[in-house]
Amino acid sequence: KNEVEQSPQNLTAQEGEFITINCSYSVGISALHWLQQHPGGGIVSLFMLSSGKKKHGRLIATINIQEKHSSLHITASHPRDSAVYICAVRKGGSEKLVFGKGTKLTVNP
Amino acid sequence: NAGVTQTPKFRVLKTGQSMTLLCAQDMNHEYMYWYRQDPGMGLRLIHYSVGEGTTAKGEVPDGYNVSRLKKQNFLLGLESAAPSQTSVYFCASSDGTTITTDTQYFGPGTRLTVL
Repeated sequence: KNEVEQSPQNLTAQEGEFITINCSYSVGISALHWLQQHPGGGIVSLFMLSSGKKKHGRLIATINIQEKHSSLHITASHPRDSAVYICAVRKGGSEKLVFGKGTKLTVNP
Repeated sequence: NAGVTQTPKFRVLKTGQSMTLLCAQDMNHEYMYWYRQDPGMGLRLIHYSVGEGTTAKGEVPDGYNVSRLKKQNFLLGLESAAPSQTSVYFCASSDGTTITTDTQYFGPGTRLTVL
């Protein structure tokens, strides 16, 4: 079983919908990352969090350490949000990140 | 600032050929990483470095070697390429592993095909 599981694998939405992408992990962590991979391939960091909630524009990331679960929400989704969203965790004391397989989001106009 | 750059962007090799991928960062970051990305799999760590002159093995190091002679550069070498090494390779850097330094900066990727 992978240490980081994302759901769903694929998600199609209509413009304007509220989107939720989930990430569950099975190890103790010091931080969780959300990354976005554009259709052209580039990867950018969206959030890094160890507790609570962070917000940037229409994106919100939450984490529940006790339940080993994080969610990425997109409000008022737009076609430009179409991308692969990747969850990664840093195990406590580790120099390495462990990545989920990603969630491919398609937002139709 | 250019951030993280990778050279080349595309390459086609024949089985048994060798090549070196170059990653350069201009953010004075200590940590640098080489990942490969394959369809249906998450990013997998090949090798990483925690500072100039250091290297360490990641999850899938076989068939690859690395060097970090200068802080800003991290080289990934394939001594004898195999079709199983066909992949997209990403370099990344960060300033550390704490909550305040762990933001990951990725290069644009190198698409490698081994025939």
